[in-house]
Amino acid sequence: AQSVTQLGSHVSVSEGALVLLRCNYSSSVPPYLFWYVQYPNQGLQLLLKYTSAATLVKGINGFEAEFKKSETSFHLTKPSAHMSDAAEYFCAVSDASGTYKYIFGTGTRLKVLA
Amino acid sequence: NAGVTQTPKFRILKIGQSMTLQCTQDMNHNYMYWYRQDPGMGLKLIYYSVGAGITDKGEVPNGYNVSRSTTEDFPLRLELAAPSQTSVYFCASSPGPGQPSESNQPQHFGDGTRLSIL
Repeated sequence: AQSVTQLGSHVSVSEGALVLLRCNYSSSVPPYLFWYVQYPNQGLQLLLKYTSAATLVKGINGFEAEFKKSETSFHLTKPSAHMSDAAEYFCAVSDASGTYKYIFGTGTRLKVLA
Repeated sequence: NAGVTQTPKFRILKIGQSMTLQCTQDMNHNYMYWYRQDPGMGLKLIYYSVGAGITDKGEVPNGYNVSRSTTEDFPLRLELAAPSQTSVYFCASSPGPGQPSESNQPQHFGDGTRLSIL
């Protein structure tokens, strides 16, 4: 069965500092991986997705993630945090059975300190 | 292009009442999903549908029912509301088979319905 683990339910960084949000997955088949962002009282917005075309994936708002098969990881990074990045971030793996169901991680709330 | 639209945005119910959460999408997507989001738990799949007339249970289906009579609409029904169903509910859709890059196209989410049961 597929699963997703997000390490750290809360992460705080200073404005301008590196953002690193961790995601590890388990999957018996090549996974399809996604990062979503959720701002307060809003739905989930796609940040980026892993398509197997490239291990380094660039997304919106300056975020990127690197797929590392050997580590079963898909960590999200941004070189310089901005106050507007404060939100909750979810990693998800797509079900490979053909129904495209997602398995979500429990989320990481990012706080950006001035 | 509205995407995925959910109504209502907020609702308070009394224990034992029933209600229907509405979800409609205008992207002609085949696949639709209902999730609930609880603090610290991420999103859990309640029900999903791979096309009109076809629905199936997700991870946490108890206490809920769905129907899919059209491609656009996927309502979620709570028959006997219980406090444990207090949550934020999200509807999502994705293109499904036959679309380009079908296996990795992302799900599109609505803005959610905040439901409190007292």
